[in-house]
Amino acid sequence: QVHLVQSGAEVRKPGASVRVSCTVSGYTLTELSMHWVRQAPGKGLEWMGGFDPENLETIYAQKFQGRVTMTEDTSTDTAYMELSSLTSEDTAVYYCATVQQWLYGFWGQGTLVTVSS
Amino acid sequence: SYVLTQPPSVSVAPGETASITCGGNNIGSKSVHWYQQRPGQAPVVVIYYDRDRPSGIPDRFSDSYSGSTATLTISRVEAGDEADYYCQVWDHESEHVVFGGGTKLTVL
Repeated sequence: QVHLVQSGAEVRKPGASVRVSCTVSGYTLTELSMHWVRQAPGKGLEWMGGFDPENLETIYAQKFQGRVTMTEDTSTDTAYMELSSLTSEDTAVYYCATVQQWLYGFWGQGTLVTVSS
Repeated sequence: SYVLTQPPSVSVAPGETASITCGGNNIGSKSVHWYQQRPGQAPVVVIYYDRDRPSGIPDRFSDSYSGSTATLTISRVEAGDEADYYCQVWDHESEHVVFGGGTKLTVL
């Protein structure tokens, strides 16, 4: 069973960056493909990007290109998502989730990022 | 970019059948996955690869296709089914994962 534990809530000012972590247990990160999905308050799910297991590369949603970076530390089985140039519209719960054949089977508990001056 | 369209809300009485639609161009050529999300919780898959159910998901949950629409059907609706439901596909053309806007199921 895969278990994903995310870092705690963050508060940032507009223009700043935030990095959210997602630590895997039950499997190693190299056995998984990790993606990130966010959800603004009262809104739907929005895909941000993640590892494409078919082409073996990280892919990003066009909306976030140039502003998001997803990395992995296999020594600690931790995935990271860093989002820069934050605005109030980036206030959301950010989820990591494992993907297999484009199905999200396991999700982290979510990390609330609040952007406020 | 590929778009999946869901109704914002569906209401149904307990014991009745709820149908939640997900419209998309040529959706029949894609594998559609359905997720249930209760307030304050992460989503959970209820239907995957068009018709399979994870263990623990009752057979009251099923899906079907017609034209450009996939439909999640919940039979004999219970109060515990009240949640937001999302459809999701992988769009090969844009190389993007796409979620529908979500449907709030209210059990009257």
